[in-house]
Amino acid sequence: GEDVEQSLFLSVREGDSSVINCTYTDSSSTYLYWYKQEPGAGLQLLTYIFSNMDMKQDQRLTVLLNKKDKHLSLRIADTQTGDSAIYFCAESITGTASKLTFGTGTRLQVTL
Amino acid sequence: EAGVTQFPSHSVIEKGQTVTLRCDPISGHDNLYWYRRVMGKEIKFLLHFVKESKQDESGMPNNRFLAERTGGTYSTLKVQPAELEDSGVYFCASSQGQNYNEQFFGPGTRLTVL
Repeated sequence: GEDVEQSLFLSVREGDSSVINCTYTDSSSTYLYWYKQEPGAGLQLLTYIFSNMDMKQDQRLTVLLNKKDKHLSLRIADTQTGDSAIYFCAESITGTASKLTFGTGTRLQVTL
Repeated sequence: EAGVTQFPSHSVIEKGQTVTLRCDPISGHDNLYWYRRVMGKEIKFLLHFVKESKQDESGMPNNRFLAERTGGTYSTLKVQPAELEDSGVYFCASSQGQNYNEQFFGPGTRLTVL
């Protein structure tokens, strides 16, 4: 079955690194995603990783995938106040225009 | 290029009333999805259109929900009659083509049923 779990809240100081974690249960997941939602806005795709990869880096973002443990993480380096948002982990099974299964979202609060 | 738009942004109705939500996908996107987030829980898939056809409606909660996409452009999601548990944020997303492509999300419609 499909189940994606995340912790609900994370608070970090500006300039520190943030690590948001996610676990999923479906071993047939093809793509795993991180979305960001700012207040009043829709979901913005930050990055995604194909299930045969274990790491992907894009500027300040690093995604790590441990397929054995079904664990996905998003690391944000040098966290800024503009990074304050809700971060959703999501998976898709076939990846070909298929539906996304989301976690509950992690609210990231960046303090000065 | 305009993004995915949704109307209205907010809707407050009483239990038993009818509400229709509208989604305009990005022009040229064949795939259109509806999702819903209820009271701080996870965002749940409702259904997926490919052009005007329903590709997957496995997430539709019950027959009070009716989605249409006549002409394969914009889509409507009607809730009739609305119940208290239907309150939440309804998101629409669109993507292009049959192969993997990013789903672009609209800002959502916040529905409150009193």
